Amino acid sequence: AQSVTQLDSHVSVSEGTPVLLRCNYSSSYSPSLFWYVQHPNKGLQLLLKYTSAATLVKGINGFEAEFKKSETSFHLTKPSAHMSDAAEYFCVVSSFSPGSARQLTFGSGTQLTVLP
Amino acid sequence: NAGVTQTPKFRILKIGQSMTLQCTQDMNHNYMYWYRQDPGMGLKLIYYSVGAGITDKGEVPNGYNVSRSTTEDFPLRLELAAPSQTSVYFCASTDPGSGANVLTFGAGSRLTVL
Repeated sequence: AQSVTQLDSHVSVSEGTPVLLRCNYSSSYSPSLFWYVQHPNKGLQLLLKYTSAATLVKGINGFEAEFKKSETSFHLTKPSAHMSDAAEYFCVVSSFSPGSARQLTFGSGTQLTVLP
Repeated sequence: NAGVTQTPKFRILKIGQSMTLQCTQDMNHNYMYWYRQDPGMGLKLIYYSVGAGITDKGEVPNGYNVSRSTTEDFPLRLELAAPSQTSVYFCASTDPGSGANVLTFGAGSRLTVL
């Protein structure tokens, strides 16, 4: 079994200030972890992924995330927010369980607002 | 452009009507998925397929059916539309051979049942 908890449903930051979107996960097997972004009325786009290589993962548009196994966390950060970062962000965990196809579980999403 | 194409983008149905949401991908991906997205609920898996001729239920399959006669196409069928099926539906695909299971999403189909 696996699950994902996004700790904040809404985050509001001022343009130029840091962004932190929090994600905790649980998984019975070695997981892969992802962050996806969804702009209004669009599909989801991959920001970055962790697949058991380096624990600090860099993604597109200046975002990065750090896999911390001891804390079962995969928080998303960006040093300086831009107006175009306003969107909804989803944390996703993926793992194989024996006898079934790889399953993905989505968090409930964090809506990021960037204030001018 | 390569990717996942969903049609229609918007549809309004009356209770009890039926319809099919179309999904096609041109990336030769074996794995395809249908999700529904409700406000504040993230994405819930309806059905998935690991290849032509093979489909399986996800987390919320009731009220839906799928088929996978070709690698490219994965239509989602609603037989008797209900207001609870008002949602945004996303089709996605991936190549399991890539190892990372990165999903490519369609742009979504917004369905309203009145």
